Amino acid sequence: GAVVSQHPSRVICKSGTSVKIECRSLDFQATTMFWYRQFPKQSLMLMATSNEGSKATYEQGVEKDKFLINHASLTLSTLTVTSAHPEDSSFYICSARTGDRGYNEQFFGPGTRLTVL
Amino acid sequence: AQSVTQLGSHVSVSEGALVLLRCNYSSSVPPYLFWYVQYPNQGLQLLLKYTSAATLVKGINGFEAEFKKSETSFHLTKPSAHMSDAAEYFCAVSGAGGYQKVTFGTGTKLQVIP
Repeated sequence: GAVVSQHPSRVICKSGTSVKIECRSLDFQATTMFWYRQFPKQSLMLMATSNEGSKATYEQGVEKDKFLINHASLTLSTLTVTSAHPEDSSFYICSARTGDRGYNEQFFGPGTRLTVL
Repeated sequence: AQSVTQLGSHVSVSEGALVLLRCNYSSSVPPYLFWYVQYPNQGLQLLLKYTSAATLVKGINGFEAEFKKSETSFHLTKPSAHMSDAAEYFCAVSGAGGYQKVTFGTGTKLQVIP
């Protein structure tokens, strides 16, 4: 149980284009989903928190107009990197949390490697 | 606010030797603590968690960690390293209770030498 998938696993795009990454909770309803960014050999940096049906909450320094997050259902959240540039190249990981856990356990997706040329 | 410090970005052990990965936390409120493992190009998998119950926590794959409030530590151990344990390990902290933001440490890469 508690499986989270991400699609695509890898994407290469040209500078200036937009890329959408999907995060799905396969066997549970995720009231909250998180998007992280991980640079090589570094830790996960929380980008934003999204709750189903409401606007995402972005961390300080994260451009909300560049990283569009939609959490339209209890099993799907999407991250769209708009007008991507090479500095946006990174490993993006989503996680999902159910509404019935008291200890804040997050279930992580396998990540999406974005390369912007 | 919470933070974690992982001492040693790289740790090497021989196969069969003790694994000890260090984590110290800082928290202004009672913490929940986590250890995650990440294999190359994959997401994170929860190894174990401390949520204010028993201070010695046993996790998957033979790992365990002990919460020591006096030392603000939550070190991860395994009696005997296996080649498959080679991965990146992240310590994380959140405030106690649900719906608190989780803060990750910088990670420790474990190398297991045959």
